[in-house]
Amino acid sequence: EVQMVESGGGLVKPGGSLRLSCAASGFTLSPYIMNWVRQAPGKGLEWVSSISTSSSYIYYADSVKGRFTISRDNAKNSLYLQMNSLRVEDTAVYYCARGEEKATSRTNFDYWGRGTLVTVSS
Amino acid sequence: DIQMTQSPSSLSASVGDRVTITCRASQSISNYLNWYQHKPGKAPKLLIYAASSLQSGVPSRFTGSGSGTDFTLTISSLQPEDFGTYYCQQSYTTPLTFGGGTKVEI
Repeated sequence: EVQMVESGGGLVKPGGSLRLSCAASGFTLSPYIMNWVRQAPGKGLEWVSSISTSSSYIYYADSVKGRFTISRDNAKNSLYLQMNSLRVEDTAVYYCARGEEKATSRTNFDYWGRGTLVTVSS
Repeated sequence: DIQMTQSPSSLSASVGDRVTITCRASQSISNYLNWYQHKPGKAPKLLIYAASSLQSGVPSRFTGSGSGTDFTLTISSLQPEDFGTYYCQQSYTTPLTFGGGTKVEI
């Protein structure tokens, strides 16, 4: 069974940092583009970042560019999101989502984790 | 950026009703359009990809249609388990963008 479990969320002050992790099981991470998507309280879904299979192609939403860094460890079947200079508006549930096999950018999200809550507040 | 506009933003329907949700892209996206169902506290679920292809395991009462800028998700006979919020998403280009969502109440 395909599963993705996010961890690392929590309460952090504005300007602080957090590192999210996503542990994948039931499939091999390496051939898939992997993604982070978030949902702020009471809002819709927002794509955050994507990383291609060998990390050759990396994309970010303008809202997080320069502050967030996506990475992956195919050997550990894991995806990461390093979040620096956090802002109140980054408060959201962050979802790890599997993309299409061998995609470099154009992708849907066929499996999702249940998310981890990040709260940025003083 | 490509803007995705969904309508309606919410609807209430009865079991057995035919339900239609529309999604419009701000520019042509060919058939790079996907639909998701999201229930509170759960992982979002992919229903339809490439505008009209049914994801494995999804009931056949869900159908997608459209190309270019105008797309439709139809639930042919609404079931109690179909409550939730439905989102369209374009995968034509980055930034990947979602519609604002349609909340379906039974």
